[in-house]
Amino acid sequence: EVQLVESGGGLVQPGRSLKLSCAASGFTFSNYYMAWVRQAPKKGLEWVATISTSGSRTYYPDTVKGRFTISRDNAKSTLYLQMNSLKSEDTATYYCVRPPFGVQGFFDFWGQGVMVTVSS
Amino acid sequence: DIHMTQSPSLLSASVGDRVTLNCKASQNFDENLAWYQQKLGEAPKLLIYKANNLQTGIPTRFSGSGSATDFTLIISSLQPEDVATYFCQQYYSGNTFGAGTKLELK
Repeated sequence: EVQLVESGGGLVQPGRSLKLSCAASGFTFSNYYMAWVRQAPKKGLEWVATISTSGSRTYYPDTVKGRFTISRDNAKSTLYLQMNSLKSEDTATYYCVRPPFGVQGFFDFWGQGVMVTVSS
Repeated sequence: DIHMTQSPSLLSASVGDRVTLNCKASQNFDENLAWYQQKLGEAPKLLIYKANNLQTGIPTRFSGSGSATDFTLIISSLQPEDVATYFCQQYYSGNTFGAGTKLELK
């Protein structure tokens, strides 16, 4: 059974940093691209980042490019999201997701999500 | 960026009803569209991919259709457990989601 378990969320002040983790199990992690999607409170969904199987290629929307960094440790089957220079508009639930067909694709498995609140 | 518009934003229906949810894209693309169901307090769940392909384990009362700019999710006979918000996502150019349709029981 595929499982994605996020951790590392919490309350952080504007301008500070936070690092999220996602522990994956139930599939061969190193064979899949991975991604993060977020959802602001009572809002829609926004793709945040995608990483290739080896970690050599990363993709971001303009809203987080230069501030967020996605990475992975295939030996530990773990995905990360380093978030710097956080803004109030980054407040959201962050989901770890699996895109089964690479960078351009849907997401077939989702973690339960982790809440990030950016506030002073 | 491709903008996705879902309609209606709120839909009330009765158990057993045939329900139609719409998703319109701001530009033409093929069938790179997915539908997700999100129940209150839960993560989204993939229902449909490539416009009309049912994800494994999803009940057959769910179906998807459409191409180009207009896509539809149909629930053939609404069940109480289908109360949720439904999102469409295009993955033709980047990844963008619609704002969602909240489905409630009448």
